[in-house]
Amino acid sequence: GNSVTQMEGPVTLSEEAFLTINCTYTATGYPSLFWYVQYPGEGLQLLLKATKADDKGSNKGFEATYRKETTSFHLEKGSVQVSDSAVYFCALIDSGNNNDMRFGAGTRLTVKP
Amino acid sequence: EAQVTQNPRYLITVTGKKLTVTCSQNMNHEYMSWYRQDPGLGLRQIYYSMNVEVTDKGDVPEGYKVSRKEKRNFPLILESPSPNQTSLYFCASSSPLTYEQYFGPGTRLTVT
Repeated sequence: GNSVTQMEGPVTLSEEAFLTINCTYTATGYPSLFWYVQYPGEGLQLLLKATKADDKGSNKGFEATYRKETTSFHLEKGSVQVSDSAVYFCALIDSGNNNDMRFGAGTRLTVKP
Repeated sequence: EAQVTQNPRYLITVTGKKLTVTCSQNMNHEYMSWYRQDPGLGLRQIYYSMNVEVTDKGDVPEGYKVSRKEKRNFPLILESPSPNQTSLYFCASSSPLTYEQYFGPGTRLTVT
């Protein structure tokens, strides 16, 4: 079946540090890939997405590239801010498999000033 | 404003007392789903609905029921709640064109 594995946290960084959160997936079809962010006390919000191989999703300085050869969708940001502190979820949806939706376990990021 | 609303936001109840968590969206989305979030497990899908009167089980449907009589509403029903259903619950909706999910603010349920 489909699954998403993401880097375990928590991750603690200083402001302006480089961020990478690893995400790999297993899918029987050709999934769309997403990163969602959850700020404290809130629901998840879409951060970025990519729908096919080699697509790059980007938003708010975050980027992730859909790598079919390595089945990966790693999240990166060049310079994190305190306001980026949140839990980040990698996810896939397999539209060819009854819209099967899978989330990773989430990675908690804390950015210190 | 496009949004998904859930009620109640917080609920403490006792084992066996039936409860309903409501979910409503104003985006005319066909697809709606319920998730539970538990530490270390991420989000797990409970039930989903592709359209009115069409519902399907997700990964963890035991102990839950849903209905989809109208496009905008997708209530989650716990007929006889048990302590292992203590969790944070999220409702979400999406369009089949984009698959981008919009999440509600969450309902924190405690069953004693």
